[in-house]
Formats: sequence, structure tokens, C-alpha cells
Amino acid sequence: DIQMTQSPSSLSASVGDRVTITCRASQSISSYLNWYQQKPGKAPKLLIYAASSLQSGVPSRFSGSGSGTDFTLTISSLQPEDFATYYCQQSYSTPTITFGQGTRLEIK
Amino acid sequence: EVQLVESGGGLVQPGGSLRLSCAASGFTVSSNYMSWVRQAPGKGLEWVSVIYSGGSTYYADSVKGRFTISRDNSKNTLYLQMNSLRAEDTAVYYCARDWYYYGSGSYDYFDYWGQGTLVTVSS
Repeated sequence: DIQMTQSPSSLSASVGDRVTITCRASQSISSYLNWYQQKPGKAPKLLIYAASSLQSGVPSRFSGSGSGTDFTLTISSLQPEDFATYYCQQSYSTPTITFGQGTRLEIK
Repeated sequence: EVQLVESGGGLVQPGGSLRLSCAASGFTVSSNYMSWVRQAPGKGLEWVSVIYSGGSTYYADSVKGRFTISRDNSKNTLYLQMNSLRAEDTAVYYCARDWYYYGSGSYDYFDYWGQGTLVTVSS
């Protein structure tokens, strides 16, 4: 199985900060990487697909980059509604896809 | 508007069975790939199973031989039959549409999710 490792596991930041979350795959996955946001008690929400494509309706302050084994999710200017948990997910080994363990973004 | 609504969760004893349902609206279940993803309390996301539009099914090793994914085309509903349940199956179960995007490759992602249904396995 392809293992996905996110860093950091948790992060404190302030409104207006630029934040970067990293996801590393245990083997090359090309650009088969998606990012989701999850708020407490809610279902995950797709933010980025194919490593860098912004899902329709998602604010442009979210961006994704990377290929191969190393990927990043960047929020250019944190807004109050962005405090949530973020997950990466690889679809290279479809149908047996795997998620990262999550990064909890908290208010400083 | 696309909507997914899960039901069927609850408390069940170890070794017991439960069937989850996911009623879809706004699109046709049988024309799409559909997955179940679960989340144990306070934990991350774990893919459980997928059914392809052609009917092929796949399972995570952790549930293989115990869970069965299916669909009822007339009801536009996805199911997950869970047998021989264990304490470690306790989780919120989400159904999700597995959408394919054809760019430089064939990329898939979960674009719509239900609200989830809680399954608790305990004596």
C-alpha cells in the first residue's frame, strides 16, 4: 500500500497568515493527489484535485503543488472559516486509495 | 442539486450485522463510481469499498470478506452490508461519489459526500 504522511500533524496560525501543509507519498504517485478540508461534525470537502487543480467554488487563496512524492497545500491568507483539519489522498493506486493522517489547523 | 443521504447506522453487538444505505439525488448512482469511506472517532479517513459503474467491486483488506457493497438502480441507492462486525469497525461511515477527471491522465476524487452515519460496535 502507498503510505501518505502529512506534516505537521497540527499547526497554530493567525488570521491573515500564509500556511503550508506538506504531504509525502511512500512512492511516486505522479500528480494523483487530492486535498480535502473537514470541519468538526461535517463531511470532508474537496479543495484540490490532480495536485494543483482548484475545485469549483473553492476560494483562490487555496492552492496545491507538487508531483512525484512531495506535495503542498498552501492557504495564502488564512480566513476564520479555514480553521479545520486537512487531508491529502492519493488516487494513484485506485481503487485502493489512501489518505494522509490529517493536519489540524488551529487558531493561534 | 446533488445530494447523498446515509442511513442505517446504530449500535450493534460484536459479530452482528448492519446494512447502511445512501440515497442519491441529482445524479444516477449506476452511472458513477461510488465509495464508502469511514472515520473512527477522533481518527482520520479510511477508504472502505467502491463499486464501479460496470458493477465491479473492491474492498479494503480490513473489511474484505465481511462487507459487501451494492446498489439498487431503481431506488438510486447505494448500500453497504456489514457482517461479522468488530469493535474496530466503529466509525462514521460516509458515502461519496468517486468522480473521474480526464486530463493528462485519469484522475479521480471524491466530489460529493453524504453527511455520514455512525456505526457503534459494542456489547
